Order: sequence, then structure tokens, then C-alpha cells
Amino acid sequence: EVQLLESGGGLVQPGGSLRLSCAASGFTFSSYAMSWVRQAPGKGLEWVSAISGSGGGTFYAASVKGRFTISRDNSKNTLYLQMNRLRAEDTALYYCAKPGDYGDYVYDYWGQGTLVTVSS
Amino acid sequence: SYELTQSPSVSVSPGQTASITCSGDKLGDKYACWYQQKPGQSPVLVIYQDNKRPSGIPERFSGSNSGNTATLTISGTQAMDEADYYCQAWDGSTVVFGGGTKLTVL
Repeated sequence: EVQLLESGGGLVQPGGSLRLSCAASGFTFSSYAMSWVRQAPGKGLEWVSAISGSGGGTFYAASVKGRFTISRDNSKNTLYLQMNRLRAEDTALYYCAKPGDYGDYVYDYWGQGTLVTVSS
Repeated sequence: SYELTQSPSVSVSPGQTASITCSGDKLGDKYACWYQQKPGQSPVLVIYQDNKRPSGIPERFSGSNSGNTATLTISGTQAMDEADYYCQAWDGSTVVFGGGTKLTVL
């Protein structure tokens, strides 16, 4: 059974940093590109970042480029999102998402999310 | 940057057909997919590659994509289908979601 378990969220002051983790199990982690998608309270889904299975390719939304860094440790089956220079508008539930066999960016599994709140 | 536009809300009576649209420049040249999200839950993929259903998704869910518009159709809508629906596409370098449509079954 595929499981994605996010952690690392919390309350952080504007300008601060946070690192999110997503522990994956139930599939061959290194075979899949992985993504982070966020959802601000009461708002829609916003794609944040993606990384190839090997980790050699990374993609970012314009809103986070230069501030966030996606990475993965295939030996630990874990996906990360390092978030720096956080802003109030980064407040959201952050989901880890796994694609299925329909394409690297079609997500058939989602975690439950970890909440990031940026506030003073 | 590429944008996908959805109507904020759609209402449908039980048993009727609901159509939710998603528009974007030359969207028909890309693959569109659709997610359903119920309150407090993570999204669920209901349509991929424009018109394919993942296993476990009821046949009443169907999709199409042509020109600038992708459409999610729910035939014989049930109360359990009340949810937010998001379209999504890949523009070659980024993933783009539509703003979401709240489907109300009343």
C-alpha cells in the first residue's frame, strides 16, 4: 500500500526557514518523480515543486523559485522541501504527491499534508 | 505563465448531469486531468489524459478536451459527488492547476 507521510510543518516567523519531509513507502521510490503541492486555507491547489526520480531534475513555481529547494534521499525513501525566506503568503497545507503510471505530473497518491503557518 | 480558468461554482440536481469546464490557451494540445477534493480530505484523481478514469472511479465521471476547453462531466450526479473539482495540466516546465469549481448537489 502506498503511503506518503509529511512532517516538519509548524509556526515560523516571516523571513524564517523550515524543512518539510515526506516519508514514502509501498512503492519503488526512486522510480518516480515526486512533487509538493500546497493549499492555502480556504483556497485552491497550487503546485510548488517537482523532482525527478534520480534527483537530477528539479522544477519550481515562480512564486517559490530562489527561496525553496526540493531534494530527495532515495536511500531513505524521503522527499524534502527546504523553505527559506518564508512569507505570510506561504501559509498553507503542504502535500507530498506521487504520480502514477499516467505521467510524471498526474498525481494518483497524496499525503495528508503538513501545515505551515508564517506569522509573527 | 500558463493559466487555467474554472467557474467558481456549479449547481446540479441529483440525477442530472453536471459539466465543469476548464479553459486555457490551446489546452486541447495538452493533457488535462481532474481531481476531486472533499472537505478535510486530500485530492483524488478522477480523470487523467483528458478522458481516462483511474481504477475505482465510477463510470459516471467522464472527460473531454478540445480547443481551449477541457470538460469534466458527471452523469447521474449523486449527493456524494458534492466537492471541489480542480483541473490540471503540465505546460512543459510547470504544473498548473485551475482555481477550482465547487459542485453543489441540491
